[in-house]
Amino acid sequence: AQKVTQAQTEISVVEKEDVTLDCVYETRDTTYYLFWYKQPPSGELVFLIRRNSFDEQNEISGRYSWNFQKSTSSFNFTITASQVVDSAVYFCALSGSLIQGAQKLVFGQGTRLTINP
Amino acid sequence: DGGITQSPKYLFRKEGQNVTLSCEQNLNHDAMYWYRQDPGQGLRLIYYSQIVNDFQKGDIAEGYSVSREKKESFPLTVTSAQKNPTAFYLCASRTSEVNTQYFGPGTRLTVL
Repeated sequence: AQKVTQAQTEISVVEKEDVTLDCVYETRDTTYYLFWYKQPPSGELVFLIRRNSFDEQNEISGRYSWNFQKSTSSFNFTITASQVVDSAVYFCALSGSLIQGAQKLVFGQGTRLTINP
Repeated sequence: DGGITQSPKYLFRKEGQNVTLSCEQNLNHDAMYWYRQDPGQGLRLIYYSQIVNDFQKGDIAEGYSVSREKKESFPLTVTSAQKNPTAFYLCASRTSEVNTQYFGPGTRLTVL
């Protein structure tokens, strides 16, 4: 069975601090995908990144960066120089490959991030 | 503009009533999904559909029904059999080639 664990329920930091959101996953699939979504107060889930299991390169997009480590089954998300607009609930999610019939996203419980001015 | 729309944004239901939540997409996506989110929790899959006139149960399908008569539409009916329907409902869709789901704005259902 697939499982995603986000152990940090809530994080609160002061603006401009760096913050890392942890994500640990479990799967028996050799091919799988990992995702991060942002849920602002409006409620809509905003897609941030997709990573497949064969690509362990870290990725940076502006102030956002992601660290994928298969050895520890982790896919952590770091926000550098945080801003108030980064305040949201962040979800990590996992799915199998399309060939295997990737029909379901398995979500973690989410981490509520609050950036204080 | 291309995107996924859900209506209504807020919905109130009396106990014993069936209600239907709308989900429409103009992205030409093949697959569509319904998820339920409870406070402080992640999303759980209710139903999904890969093609028109076909759909499968997700993890928590009891008390819900769906239809997929058109590619762009995937309405969800919350029946009176659903014992605890108060939740936030999110619809998503994706193409058949790319494994990324995109979400609509959600419908917040409250049972009075």
